Amino acid sequence: DAGVTQSPTHLIKTRGQQVTLRCSPKSGHDTVSWYQQALGQGPQFIFQYYEEEERQRGNFPDRFSGHQFPNYSSELNVNALLLGDSALYLCASSLLQGKEKLFFGSGTQLSVL
Amino acid sequence: AQSVSQHNHHVILSEAASLELGCNYSYGGTVNLFWYVQYPGQHLQLLLKYFSGDPLVKGIKGFEAEFIKSKFSFNLRKPSVQWSDTAEYFCAVKGQYGGATNKLIFGTGTLLAVQP
Repeated sequence: DAGVTQSPTHLIKTRGQQVTLRCSPKSGHDTVSWYQQALGQGPQFIFQYYEEEERQRGNFPDRFSGHQFPNYSSELNVNALLLGDSALYLCASSLLQGKEKLFFGSGTQLSVL
Repeated sequence: AQSVSQHNHHVILSEAASLELGCNYSYGGTVNLFWYVQYPGQHLQLLLKYFSGDPLVKGIKGFEAEFIKSKFSFNLRKPSVQWSDTAEYFCAVKGQYGGATNKLIFGTGTLLAVQP
């Protein structure tokens, strides 16, 4: 058990809709990162949150936004969904000042129709 | 920009065969290197990592990897695979920019199927 929990596990949306994915980090972790894993690809970094602020961002449009709460949990929001947003969305937690070992959740499979 | 290349997309082996999965990265500075494994229906798990020191690192389940700086490579090896090693394997790199945790750059993955 990785200790990182994500919800929901599966989600089906239509183009143009908005979606919110949730993540609870492993106990004791203060940093949450989000990755997108398209079919047949490796995970791609979306952004990272620490102390409720976005600290780093990958090459994703502004339609992708996030939030971190005081209890370190996090949300990923995607607006104006496109077919190409269909992917497995992974949350990973770590300690910012730790040895950067990431613990991954099982992901949310998003299908956009 | 950093990138990671995994040369083998699909590998099929028989049990007891030896395994070597290639991984090359592009980044000129100090790097941290990782191999992650994703078993069917499970989350990504860390197999092993290299930060510094001995370039031959040993991980869980009998896996090892060798960091060759001159070749920008971090190949994963296992002397004798088992059916339970069937999974997708991802190489990842993280550049060192200073104190803050930075993003991991993943390769496209290698799907390993071990036939009993």
